[in-house]
Amino acid sequence: EAQVTQNPRYLITVTGKKLTVTCSQNMNHEYMSWYRQDPGLGLRQIYYSMNVEVTDKGDVPEGYKVSRKEKRNFPLILESPSPNQTSLYFCASSPLALSSYNEQFFGPGTRLTVL
Amino acid sequence: RKEVEQDPGPFNVPEGATVAFNCTYSNSASQSFFWYRQDCRKEPKLLMSVYSSGNEDGRFTAQLNRASQYISLLIRDSKLSDSATYLCVVNGGGFKTIFGAGTRLFVKA
Repeated sequence: EAQVTQNPRYLITVTGKKLTVTCSQNMNHEYMSWYRQDPGLGLRQIYYSMNVEVTDKGDVPEGYKVSRKEKRNFPLILESPSPNQTSLYFCASSPLALSSYNEQFFGPGTRLTVL
Repeated sequence: RKEVEQDPGPFNVPEGATVAFNCTYSNSASQSFFWYRQDCRKEPKLLMSVYSSGNEDGRFTAQLNRASQYISLLIRDSKLSDSATYLCVVNGGGFKTIFGAGTRLFVKA
């Protein structure tokens, strides 16, 4: 089954404790992206990747890191989480960049709470 | 000014009604446009792309007005199952993706 998976689905942590949210897709997509969703603000792009070893900042990259060492995986790293990073996080993938009218496929989301 | 703006609603309509949503975007260099649907606490899913000539998919019609920089979504003959949040999505230039905050729709029996 073609899908985007994220782990963990739910996480409660404390300020300053490093964490990684994994994202994996099995569709051989070049483009992958991370978003956060907060009430009233919609989805905001954190980072995106056009292919292996090619990443770029979205609108809200502060406090996050990403890497793309393999085509299928695009982990999101929070080196020192803070309470303002409490949010619902979505990973997405697409065959090519959005400018080509390609659909983005989303993972089920990770609900993160930072105390 | 937000790059992509939508009326947050909520829109409360009876079954069978026609409802329209609008979305404005600020970047005139934007190349591609979409409507996504999101059910409560679930992941967004593509509803339809929006092409320059306008396009229709069953009860759904999408229009793009580049001169005025807005896109629209028309839903005819609303069903209970259409209740969701509708997200306007714009390619923000290059490879960035910009989402509107979403418009909530409630269809009532």
